[in-house]
Amino acid sequence: GEDVEQSLFLSVREGDSSVINCTYTDSSSTYLYWYKQEPGAGLQLLTYIFSNMDMKQDQRLTVLLNKKDKHLSLRIADTQTGDSAIYFCLSGAGSYQLTFGKGTKLSVIP
Amino acid sequence: NAGVTQTPKFQVLKTGQSMTLQCAQDMNHEYMSWYRQDPGMGLRLIHYSVGAGITDQGEVPNGYNVSRSTTEDFPLRLLSAAPSQTSVYFCASSTPGERGYEQYFGPGTRLTVT
Repeated sequence: GEDVEQSLFLSVREGDSSVINCTYTDSSSTYLYWYKQEPGAGLQLLTYIFSNMDMKQDQRLTVLLNKKDKHLSLRIADTQTGDSAIYFCLSGAGSYQLTFGKGTKLSVIP
Repeated sequence: NAGVTQTPKFQVLKTGQSMTLQCAQDMNHEYMSWYRQDPGMGLRLIHYSVGAGITDQGEVPNGYNVSRSTTEDFPLRLLSAAPSQTSVYFCASSTPGERGYEQYFGPGTRLTVT
């Protein structure tokens, strides 16, 4: 089956940039999502990118997509303690069935 | 809109007991699903439904039943709870839109089976 891989942990200092990486296997992926899960809460959509885009910027967030290498990254500029959470990468190929990565736990050190 | 709601928020069961986790959405989404989240395992799909009266199995369906009698509600039943079912359970709903098949998640039910 299709797969999405992410590293499980990332630790950064407050004020630095965070980069969370994801690789996926489904070459027919048309939507790629980043969801954020804060402690004790559900998942919320953070940002997304369509497969015909290379980059998307939204305030402190930059998403880069390398479709050739099936690599997606999420950069958070000026990381704050409130950014501490688990970040999930999801891929979708135009149906309800999304493939989840296992999540990257971001810890921000004050 | 309340979005996706789940009850209860926390539950402790003894092995062998049964219970139903409730999920409701008020967005008229045709797709609803149940996931369980375990440390280091990410989210795994238990059951899903593409409309009232239609359900199907996901990746880890054993020990769970679902039904979908209305568009709004999608309860998950544990027939005979086992300690391996200790987990956090999330319900989600979806419909096609400008963000593709974005899923909307409930706040979760934390279940402990002793």
